Amino acid sequence: GESVGLHLPTLSVQEGDNSIINCAYSNSASDYFIWYKQESGKGPQFIIDIRSNMDKRQGQRVTVLLNKTVKHLSLQIAATQPGDSAVYFCAERGVGAQKLVFGQGTRLTINP
Amino acid sequence: EPEVTQTPSHQVTQMGQEVILRCVPISNHLYFYWYRQILGQKVEFLVSFYNNEISEKSEIFDDQFSVERPDGSNFTLKIRSTKLEDSAMYFCASMLETGELFFGEGSRLTVL
Repeated sequence: GESVGLHLPTLSVQEGDNSIINCAYSNSASDYFIWYKQESGKGPQFIIDIRSNMDKRQGQRVTVLLNKTVKHLSLQIAATQPGDSAVYFCAERGVGAQKLVFGQGTRLTINP
Repeated sequence: EPEVTQTPSHQVTQMGQEVILRCVPISNHLYFYWYRQILGQKVEFLVSFYNNEISEKSEIFDDQFSVERPDGSNFTLKIRSTKLEDSAMYFCASMLETGELFFGEGSRLTVL
């Protein structure tokens, strides 16, 4: 069945360093991918998305990379700040589907 | 900025009782969703709703669950006879046409 998963459940980085959060997906028919940030006690918050016809997309301090060959998605956060501490989820949607399927999540901790 | 709102923020109920969770999606959105998140776990899809009917539902969404859009603004999730394992955060989300889902802050359900 379709599934989206993450390589690491936790990641600790120094403030100011760059962070890379990885995600593997198994549904080769997925055409839309998205990263959400979830702070404690809150709902998922959109960070950045990418469609399958792209390999890279940049936002403010964030970059998403998509490697369809190995079905891998990553989120890069530049110059991490204390406010970046959260759980990060990748999610994917199949062609013609309406639902997003979420991965397990990676907890990002920023050390001062 | 428009947002998805959910009530109540927290509900405590006895096992076997009925619970209704309410959501007001973003006003011009067309697709509506309920997800749940058991503490410390990933966000799980329950049901999607479009054009006044369920468009997709997961295995979790059994006969004890129902959704309704009784008027032009509210979107509700009803659990007829709650079980202990229904304890979770329930997130409502909406989407305009395609792209990201916008999530509410969630309703925490505690079943005793």
